[in-house]
Amino acid sequence: KQEVTQIPAALSVPEGENLVLNCSFTDSAIYNLQWFRQDPGKGLTSLLLIQSSQREQTSGRLNASLDKSSGRSTLYIAASQPGDSATYLCAVDSNYQLIWGAGTKLIIKP
Amino acid sequence: NAGVTQTPKFQVLKTGQSMTLQCAQDMNHNSMYWYRQDPGMGLRLIYYSASEGTTDKGEVPNGYNVSRLNKREFSLRLESAAPSQTSVYFCASSEQGAQEKLFFGSGTQLSVL
Repeated sequence: KQEVTQIPAALSVPEGENLVLNCSFTDSAIYNLQWFRQDPGKGLTSLLLIQSSQREQTSGRLNASLDKSSGRSTLYIAASQPGDSATYLCAVDSNYQLIWGAGTKLIIKP
Repeated sequence: NAGVTQTPKFQVLKTGQSMTLQCAQDMNHNSMYWYRQDPGMGLRLIYYSASEGTTDKGEVPNGYNVSRLNKREFSLRLESAAPSQTSVYFCASSEQGAQEKLFFGSGTQLSVL
Protein backbone atom coordinates (compact mmCIF):
# COMPACT_ATOMS: atom_id res chain seq x y z
CA LYS A 1 0.00 0.00 0.00
CA GLN A 2 1.35 3.38 -0.99
CA GLU A 3 2.21 5.71 1.87
CA VAL A 4 3.32 9.31 1.59
CA THR A 5 5.28 11.11 4.29
CA GLN A 6 6.22 14.74 4.65
CA ILE A 7 8.86 15.72 7.17
CA PRO A 8 9.02 18.10 8.96
CA ALA A 9 5.41 18.76 9.87
CA ALA A 10 6.27 22.42 10.43
CA LEU A 11 9.09 24.72 9.41
CA SER A 12 9.86 28.35 10.26
CA VAL A 13 12.54 30.30 8.39
CA PRO A 14 13.51 33.98 7.98
CA GLU A 15 12.43 35.83 4.89
CA GLY A 16 14.83 35.61 1.98
CA GLU A 17 16.14 32.13 2.67
CA ASN A 18 16.06 29.35 0.14
CA LEU A 19 14.37 26.25 1.50
CA VAL A 20 13.52 22.66 0.63
CA LEU A 21 10.40 20.72 1.54
CA ASN A 22 10.50 16.94 1.43
CA CYS A 23 8.07 14.28 0.31
CA SER A 24 8.75 10.54 0.41
CA PHE A 25 6.68 7.64 -0.87
CA THR A 26 6.97 3.90 -0.35
CA ASP A 27 6.04 2.52 -3.78
CA SER A 28 8.02 3.82 -6.75
CA ALA A 29 5.33 2.74 -9.24
CA ILE A 30 3.66 6.11 -9.59
CA TYR A 31 2.17 7.94 -12.56
CA ASN A 32 2.88 11.44 -11.31
CA LEU A 33 3.41 13.56 -8.22
CA GLN A 34 1.76 16.87 -7.46
CA TRP A 35 2.63 19.64 -5.02
CA PHE A 36 -0.18 21.75 -3.59
CA ARG A 37 -0.43 24.83 -1.44
CA GLN A 38 -3.17 25.29 1.17
CA ASP A 39 -3.90 28.60 2.84
CA PRO A 40 -5.85 28.64 6.14
CA GLY A 41 -9.57 28.21 5.61
CA LYS A 42 -9.17 27.79 1.89
CA GLY A 43 -8.95 25.04 -0.66
CA LEU A 44 -5.83 23.62 -2.20
CA THR A 45 -4.03 25.10 -5.17
CA SER A 46 -1.97 22.93 -7.48
CA LEU A 47 1.58 24.27 -7.78
CA LEU A 48 3.46 21.73 -9.85
CA LEU A 49 2.76 18.37 -11.44
CA ILE A 50 5.67 16.07 -12.32
CA GLN A 51 5.00 13.13 -14.60
CA SER A 52 6.75 9.87 -13.75
CA SER A 53 9.02 10.27 -16.79
CA GLN A 54 10.18 13.71 -15.68
CA ARG A 55 12.89 14.66 -13.21
CA GLU A 56 11.76 18.18 -12.35
CA GLN A 57 9.33 20.98 -12.99
CA THR A 58 9.75 24.71 -12.43
CA SER A 59 7.34 27.56 -11.92
CA GLY A 60 8.74 30.93 -10.96
CA ARG A 61 10.60 30.60 -7.66
CA LEU A 62 9.43 27.01 -7.23
CA ASN A 63 11.27 23.93 -8.42
CA ALA A 64 10.07 20.40 -7.78
CA SER A 65 12.22 17.33 -8.35
CA LEU A 66 11.30 13.68 -8.52
CA ASP A 67 13.50 10.63 -7.86
CA LYS A 68 11.28 7.59 -8.26
CA SER A 69 14.00 5.08 -7.49
CA SER A 70 14.57 6.52 -4.04
CA GLY A 71 10.90 7.39 -3.49
CA ARG A 72 11.54 11.09 -2.95
CA SER A 73 10.44 14.47 -4.17
CA THR A 74 11.57 17.89 -3.06
CA LEU A 75 10.00 21.31 -3.46
CA TYR A 76 12.61 24.06 -3.56
CA ILE A 77 11.47 27.59 -2.82
CA ALA A 78 13.93 30.33 -3.70
CA ALA A 79 14.16 33.67 -1.92
CA SER A 80 11.24 32.95 0.42
CA GLN A 81 8.67 35.68 1.14
CA PRO A 82 6.08 36.07 3.92
CA GLY A 83 3.41 35.40 1.30
CA ASP A 84 4.82 31.88 0.90
CA SER A 85 3.54 31.02 4.37
CA ALA A 86 1.08 28.18 3.93
CA THR A 87 0.81 24.43 4.24
CA TYR A 88 2.40 22.51 1.38
CA LEU A 89 1.11 19.06 0.52
CA CYS A 90 2.36 16.47 -1.90
CA ALA A 91 0.28 13.73 -3.49
CA VAL A 92 1.26 10.78 -5.64
CA ASP A 93 -0.89 9.25 -8.34
CA SER A 94 -0.79 5.58 -7.48
CA ASN A 95 -3.16 3.32 -9.36
CA TYR A 96 -5.12 6.34 -10.64
CA GLN A 97 -5.92 7.65 -7.16
CA LEU A 98 -4.03 10.35 -5.32
CA ILE A 99 -2.37 9.37 -2.05
CA TRP A 100 -1.61 12.38 0.12
CA GLY A 101 1.00 13.40 2.61
CA ALA A 102 -0.11 15.24 5.76
CA GLY A 103 1.70 18.41 4.70
CA THR A 104 4.41 20.74 5.93
CA LYS A 105 3.26 24.00 7.54
CA LEU A 106 5.68 26.70 6.42
CA ILE A 107 6.05 30.02 8.22
CA ILE A 108 8.23 32.73 6.69
CA LYS A 109 9.24 35.30 9.29
CA PRO A 110 9.56 38.91 8.05
CA ASN B 1 -13.82 32.45 -13.11
CA ALA B 2 -15.68 30.51 -10.41
CA GLY B 3 -13.82 27.19 -10.79
CA VAL B 4 -15.13 24.75 -8.16
CA THR B 5 -17.91 26.00 -5.91
CA GLN B 6 -18.95 24.23 -2.70
CA THR B 7 -21.87 24.92 -0.43
CA PRO B 8 -22.30 25.35 2.44
CA LYS B 9 -19.03 26.67 3.91
CA PHE B 10 -19.96 25.74 7.46
CA GLN B 11 -22.49 23.33 8.95
CA VAL B 12 -23.29 22.01 12.40
CA LEU B 13 -25.35 18.84 12.66
CA LYS B 14 -26.67 16.74 15.48
CA THR B 15 -25.92 13.02 15.48
CA GLY B 16 -28.37 11.23 13.22
CA GLN B 17 -29.27 14.22 11.08
CA SER B 18 -28.76 14.13 7.32
CA MET B 19 -27.43 16.68 4.89
CA THR B 20 -26.12 17.09 1.37
CA LEU B 21 -22.98 18.94 0.39
CA GLN B 22 -23.18 20.51 -3.03
CA CYS B 23 -20.37 20.92 -5.53
CA ALA B 24 -20.32 22.42 -9.00
CA GLN B 25 -17.51 23.13 -11.46
CA ASP B 26 -17.58 25.32 -14.54
CA MET B 27 -14.42 24.07 -16.24
CA ASN B 28 -16.08 21.28 -18.26
CA HIS B 29 -14.06 18.71 -16.33
CA ASN B 30 -14.91 15.03 -16.62
CA SER B 31 -13.68 13.85 -13.21
CA MET B 32 -14.86 14.99 -9.79
CA TYR B 33 -13.88 13.99 -6.27
CA TRP B 34 -14.90 14.28 -2.64
CA TYR B 35 -12.17 14.32 0.01
CA ARG B 36 -12.14 14.76 3.75
CA GLN B 37 -9.28 16.37 5.65
CA ASP B 38 -8.65 15.67 9.32
CA PRO B 39 -6.00 17.33 11.50
CA GLY B 40 -2.54 15.83 11.08
CA MET B 41 -3.62 13.58 8.23
CA GLY B 42 -3.48 13.75 4.49
CA LEU B 43 -6.61 14.11 2.43
CA ARG B 44 -8.61 10.91 2.12
CA LEU B 45 -10.76 10.13 -0.87
CA ILE B 46 -14.40 9.41 -0.08
CA TYR B 47 -15.90 8.94 -3.54
CA TYR B 48 -15.02 9.95 -7.04
CA SER B 49 -16.67 10.18 -10.42
CA ALA B 50 -14.34 9.50 -13.33
CA SER B 51 -16.92 10.75 -15.81
CA GLU B 52 -20.56 11.74 -15.98
CA GLY B 53 -22.75 8.78 -15.09
CA THR B 54 -20.14 6.89 -13.06
CA THR B 55 -19.23 6.91 -9.37
CA ASP B 56 -16.75 4.81 -7.41
CA LYS B 57 -15.77 4.34 -3.80
CA GLY B 58 -12.56 5.77 -2.52
CA GLU B 59 -10.63 5.01 0.64
CA VAL B 60 -13.30 5.98 3.21
CA PRO B 61 -16.81 5.65 1.67
CA ASN B 62 -18.72 4.28 4.67
CA GLY B 63 -21.51 6.57 5.84
CA TYR B 64 -21.61 8.58 2.61
CA ASN B 65 -23.41 8.50 -0.71
CA VAL B 66 -22.82 10.54 -3.84
CA SER B 67 -24.69 11.61 -6.93
CA ARG B 68 -23.16 12.83 -10.17
CA LEU B 69 -26.18 14.90 -11.17
CA ASN B 70 -24.68 16.03 -14.49
CA LYS B 71 -21.25 16.90 -15.80
CA ARG B 72 -21.07 20.02 -13.63
CA GLU B 73 -22.46 18.82 -10.31
CA PHE B 74 -21.36 16.18 -7.81
CA SER B 75 -23.08 16.00 -4.42
CA LEU B 76 -22.14 14.21 -1.21
CA ARG B 77 -24.83 13.03 1.20
CA LEU B 78 -24.54 12.05 4.83
CA GLU B 79 -27.63 9.99 5.62
CA SER B 80 -27.15 9.73 9.40
CA ALA B 81 -24.33 11.92 10.61
CA ALA B 82 -21.92 10.66 13.25
CA PRO B 83 -19.33 12.57 15.33
CA SER B 84 -16.59 10.68 13.42
CA GLN B 85 -17.70 12.57 10.33
CA THR B 86 -16.64 15.88 11.82
CA SER B 87 -14.11 17.08 9.27
CA VAL B 88 -13.36 19.51 6.49
CA TYR B 89 -14.76 18.31 3.19
CA PHE B 90 -13.30 19.29 -0.16
CA CYS B 91 -14.67 18.83 -3.63
CA ALA B 92 -12.23 18.74 -6.52
CA SER B 93 -12.28 18.28 -10.26
CA SER B 94 -9.84 17.43 -13.03
CA GLU B 95 -10.04 17.30 -16.78
CA GLN B 96 -9.61 13.53 -16.80
CA GLY B 97 -8.55 11.48 -13.82
CA ALA B 98 -5.78 11.80 -11.26
CA GLN B 99 -3.14 12.22 -13.96
CA GLU B 100 -4.28 15.78 -14.48
CA LYS B 101 -4.08 18.80 -12.20
CA LEU B 102 -6.77 18.92 -9.56
CA PHE B 103 -8.77 22.05 -8.84
CA PHE B 104 -10.33 22.39 -5.40
CA GLY B 105 -13.29 24.12 -3.86
CA SER B 106 -12.81 26.17 -0.70
CA GLY B 107 -14.14 23.44 1.60
CA THR B 108 -16.99 22.77 4.02
CA GLN B 109 -16.28 22.73 7.74
CA LEU B 110 -18.69 20.17 9.20
CA SER B 111 -19.20 19.56 12.90
CA VAL B 112 -21.36 16.71 14.15
CA LEU B 113 -22.36 17.00 17.79
